[in-house]
Amino acid sequence: EADIYQTPRYLVIGTGKKITLECSQTMGHDKMYWYQQDPGMELHLIHYSYGVNSTEKGDLSSESTVSRIRTEHFPLTLESARPSHTSQYLCASSTGEGGYTFGSGTRLTVV
Amino acid sequence: AQSVAQPEDQVNVAEGNPLTVKCTYSVSGNPYLFWYVQYPNRGLQFLLKYITGDNLVKGSYGFEAEFNKSQTSFHLKKPSALVSDSALYFCAVRDWGSGYSTLTFGKGTMLLVSP
Repeated sequence: EADIYQTPRYLVIGTGKKITLECSQTMGHDKMYWYQQDPGMELHLIHYSYGVNSTEKGDLSSESTVSRIRTEHFPLTLESARPSHTSQYLCASSTGEGGYTFGSGTRLTVV
Repeated sequence: AQSVAQPEDQVNVAEGNPLTVKCTYSVSGNPYLFWYVQYPNRGLQFLLKYITGDNLVKGSYGFEAEFNKSQTSFHLKKPSALVSDSALYFCAVRDWGSGYSTLTFGKGTMLLVSP
């Protein structure tokens, strides 16, 4: 049973709208991550956090922003959605040395 | 720096035959190695990991992987493939001790098992 939850699972939204993708975990993990998965299925790290009030940009430049006000919550926000933002977004969390636990993902379509 | 290569975009195998999905890695220190599987419209699921110890690691659903330090490889194997094994497989590495705390993933290999 997944202990990391992403909502919504699917989202279709118009260009220019502001959206927030939610990610919450109940495992008490300090580290959390956002990945963008392109149509070729490759994973690109866009944001990560080592703990509360800690956020870092990942390897792939992204117009999105994140916040980490609580350990369990790591939302991702797009201020103005564009068709180029259409993708699957995966959230994950981890302990210091273990692997990642992934959420089920949010598939975003911007029309 | 750390990197992972999965040289095959797709692997085709008949049900009942053994399967191998290849992965090679590059790290400056000691590797932590992982395999994940992704089914359509789902997140990634953990299969197995190598941290230290025995070079042959056993994981979920009958999968295993062999760590080979000299060849810097961590190939995923299963003695007898099932149609339900058809999915996208990702290899990942972290260079423990180098300061990197994020996993680097390979590009993924699609496994197709035919009946």
